[in-house]
Amino acid sequence: GAVVSQHPSWVICKSGTSVKIECRSLDFQATTMFWYRQFPKQSLMLMATSNEGSKATYEQGVEKDKFLINHASLTLSTLTVTSAHPEDSSFYICSAMLRLAGDIDTQYFGPGTRLTVL
Amino acid sequence: QKEVEQDPGPLSVPEGAIVSLNCTYSNSAFQYFMWYRQYSRKGPELLMYTYSSGNKEDGRFTAQVDKSSKYISLFIRDSQPSDSATYLCAMSRSRLTFGEGTQLTVNP
Repeated sequence: GAVVSQHPSWVICKSGTSVKIECRSLDFQATTMFWYRQFPKQSLMLMATSNEGSKATYEQGVEKDKFLINHASLTLSTLTVTSAHPEDSSFYICSAMLRLAGDIDTQYFGPGTRLTVL
Repeated sequence: QKEVEQDPGPLSVPEGAIVSLNCTYSNSAFQYFMWYRQYSRKGPELLMYTYSSGNKEDGRFTAQVDKSSKYISLFIRDSQPSDSATYLCAMSRSRLTFGEGTQLTVNP
C-alpha cells in the first residue's frame, strides 16, 4: 500500500515552454501533498505544500507564478513549470501525506520526474 | 544552525559489515522520527518510523532514538550491496524536516 506515482518520469523541453508534472496517490487519499526539487548529490528541497481545494503554500524563494500547483482532488496534485529555463532543470519529487498508526503523519514519495530544459 | 544534522558521507563498507547512520537535531519539539532510503534517480522510500525513545527493529534494520540527547541512529546488520543508497533521516512535528542524507556504498 501507500503508492505514489508521478508522470512523466522524465521530460525534455525547450526553453520558454511549460511543463506539467502529475502526482497521484494510488491507494489512499491525500489532503496534503508536497513538491520537492533535488539537485545532484544534494538533499530534498521543499518547494511547496499543496492542500486539496485550497491554494498551495510556497517556501521562501520559490516563485509561485513560475511553479503553479493545483490540487484538485484527494488523489492528484500537479506542478506546472511555466516558461521553463535551463536553470529549472532538476529532479522534481512529490510526496503525499498519510496518517499512520499512532497519529504519525508521514510522507510517501513518488519516483520523481527528471526535467531537462534545453 | 540546521535543525537536523546528518553527515553526508560518503560511507563505504564491505559486504556483511554493520552500518551505523546517525542524525542529531536541535528542535526538541520533534515528535516523530523516520528513515528513508533513496536509490539513485528514484524517490525516497520510507524504511522505518518511530515516535518514542528506544529501539525498533525490522529485519536487518534497527532504528534507535535518544530524545534526551537529540540523537537518532539507523543500524544495518549484515549489509548487502543492494543496501547501497542514500539514507535520509527525517523528523516531524507538523511537517517533515530532512537531513542531508548519507551516501552509503556496500562493496561486494
